[in-house]
Amino acid sequence: AQSVTQLDSHVSVSEGTPVLLRCNYSSSYSPSLFWYVQHPNKGLQLLLKYTSAATLVKGINGFEAEFKKSETSFHLTKPSAHMSDAAEYFCVVRPPSGNTPLVFGKGTRLSVIA
Amino acid sequence: DAMVIQNPRYQVTQFGKPVTLSCSQTLNHNVMYWYQQKSSQAPKLLFHYYDKDFNNEADTPDNFQSRRPNTSFCFLDIRSPGLGDAAMYLCATSRTLGGNQPQHFGDGTRLSIL
Repeated sequence: AQSVTQLDSHVSVSEGTPVLLRCNYSSSYSPSLFWYVQHPNKGLQLLLKYTSAATLVKGINGFEAEFKKSETSFHLTKPSAHMSDAAEYFCVVRPPSGNTPLVFGKGTRLSVIA
Repeated sequence: DAMVIQNPRYQVTQFGKPVTLSCSQTLNHNVMYWYQQKSSQAPKLLFHYYDKDFNNEADTPDNFQSRRPNTSFCFLDIRSPGLGDAAMYLCATSRTLGGNQPQHFGDGTRLSIL
């Protein structure tokens, strides 16, 4: 069975400092992994996805994530936080095939302080 | 731009009064999903359509039903809304099921129950 653990429910950073949002997954197979962002009263927007082509994945808005199989991690990073990055972030896993739904982490709320 | 559109953005209904939420897509995707998201929680999948094939999650209440009259449109019907059904309802689409296909989300409909 697939599962996702987002290690922090809330992260607070100062504007211009690095962002690290942590995600660990559990999967019996090579999963597809995604990060989504949700701004208040909005739907989820895809930031990036890992599909085994490369372990370092670059996404939109300067975000990137590194897939580390040995650590079963897929942490999201950004070198310099912007005020507009304040939002809820979801790490999501999906098995490689079959009629199975996405498995969501519980989310990490990112606050950016001016 | 191709997108997923949900109407209305905000819906208020009375306890027990049927309500229908609407979703349309211009992506020509085969799969359409409905999620329920309560405050500070991850989205919870209610059901999905793969083309005309309907798939209900095991724990989705009977009170929730869906219709997909054509590729572009999908409706969520709540037959007798209770106070516990107040939530954000998200529609999403994907090209296929499973694998590395991301889901594309609409901005949601926030449902309030009086």
